[in-house]
Amino acid sequence: GIQVEQSPPDLILQEGANSTLRCNFSDSVNNLQWFHQNPWGQLINLFYIPSGTKQNGRLSATTVATERYSLLYISSSQTTDSGVYFCAARNRDDKIIFGKGTRLHILP
Amino acid sequence: DVKVTQSSRYLVKRTGEKVFLECVQDMDHENMFWYRQDPGLGLRLIYFSYDVKMKEKGDIPEGYSVSREKKERFSLILESASTNQTSMYLCASSLMGVFEQYFGPGTRLTVT
Repeated sequence: GIQVEQSPPDLILQEGANSTLRCNFSDSVNNLQWFHQNPWGQLINLFYIPSGTKQNGRLSATTVATERYSLLYISSSQTTDSGVYFCAARNRDDKIIFGKGTRLHILP
Repeated sequence: DVKVTQSSRYLVKRTGEKVFLECVQDMDHENMFWYRQDPGLGLRLIYFSYDVKMKEKGDIPEGYSVSREKKERFSLILESASTNQTSMYLCASSLMGVFEQYFGPGTRLTVT
């Protein structure tokens, strides 16, 4: 079945730095979504991005479905960007799989 | 904006109690989901529903049941709570045929 792997598992950056989070998936997917879980546990939608590139402010995401990966870029990091970033994918059997997440710490 | 609400942010129950977790969404979504999140295990799907009175087992349904009597409301029931059900419970919803999910704020359940 589909596997979703995220890297790195943990990332510590200084405020203002840029970062790239990666999501690899093991089988063809027809959907991919990125979430940010804030320190209070709320999962916030960032991007629904089955393919191509999207941007929203300091965040952007790119999915290359043929090569089975997606990247989330965060530029000019702020302390409020801290938390855990998850990607989730769905395969042809409609099974939804979440990655284990990347825990991001932005230091002031 | 889609709004998904959950009945409690924090809940403490005793072993053996019957526990109800409620989830309500206001966007007329057909699909609703219940997940639990545990350190090192990520999010795991417990049950989902694609219509009123319909339910499907997810990856870890044991020890749980669900109820969907109205389209906007999806309840997770722990018939007899156990300490291994201490977890963060997250509800989500989506439109039929659309993968994009919207999550509620979560309920941190502690079973003592």
